[in-house]
Amino acid sequence: DSGVTQTPKHLITATGQRVTLRCSPRSGDLSVYWYQQSLDQGLQFLIQYYNGEERAKGNILERFSAQQFPDLHSELNLSSLELGDSALYFCASSVSPSGSGYEQYFGPGTRLTVT
Amino acid sequence: QQPVQSPQAVILREGEDAVINCSSSKALYSVHWYRQKHGEAPVFLMILLKGGEQKGHDKISASFNEKKQQSSLYLTASQLSYSGTYFCGTERGNTPLVFGKGTRLSVIA
Repeated sequence: DSGVTQTPKHLITATGQRVTLRCSPRSGDLSVYWYQQSLDQGLQFLIQYYNGEERAKGNILERFSAQQFPDLHSELNLSSLELGDSALYFCASSVSPSGSGYEQYFGPGTRLTVT
Repeated sequence: QQPVQSPQAVILREGEDAVINCSSSKALYSVHWYRQKHGEAPVFLMILLKGGEQKGHDKISASFNEKKQQSSLYLTASQLSYSGTYFCGTERGNTPLVFGKGTRLSVIA
């Protein structure tokens, strides 16, 4: 158990809908990262927050947005969902504002299926 | 820029050794290694930093050639539990990790 929690574990929804994925980092970690993993694909970095502020942005679509709240939990909002958005979404947490020298701890993931 | 991992897949018998490589065309500050079992979250294995510092599990060994921007993960005397997909992630200093596509390792009895 990494100490990172994600809810829900599974999500099935229809095209065009909007969903919210939730992540709570390990105690003491200030950074939260969001990744998308499609079938047999690597981990695609979406966005990072550090202590409530957006720190870095990766290949995140405009239909996707995220935020980190004062209690450090983070939410990833996916809207106008398309079939291609079906994937595993992981969040990870770290103590550091950057990746330098600090490991990331991954949550169990949310499997999103868009039908 | 996404690092390149090789091989893409490897099958080992228990007790055999394997090397997984990760290379980048850009100067790196650190290389991270993670293992992911099917349907599970990636698990941290090791970090190798520019300058030679390493952090990680005692039973895992790896190297980082700063001149070539290459890292290798050494799996010795493999066990069934080593099976999974191994990802390297590269970081150039104050930038997010960029993960490779992974190397699928299967250990058979």
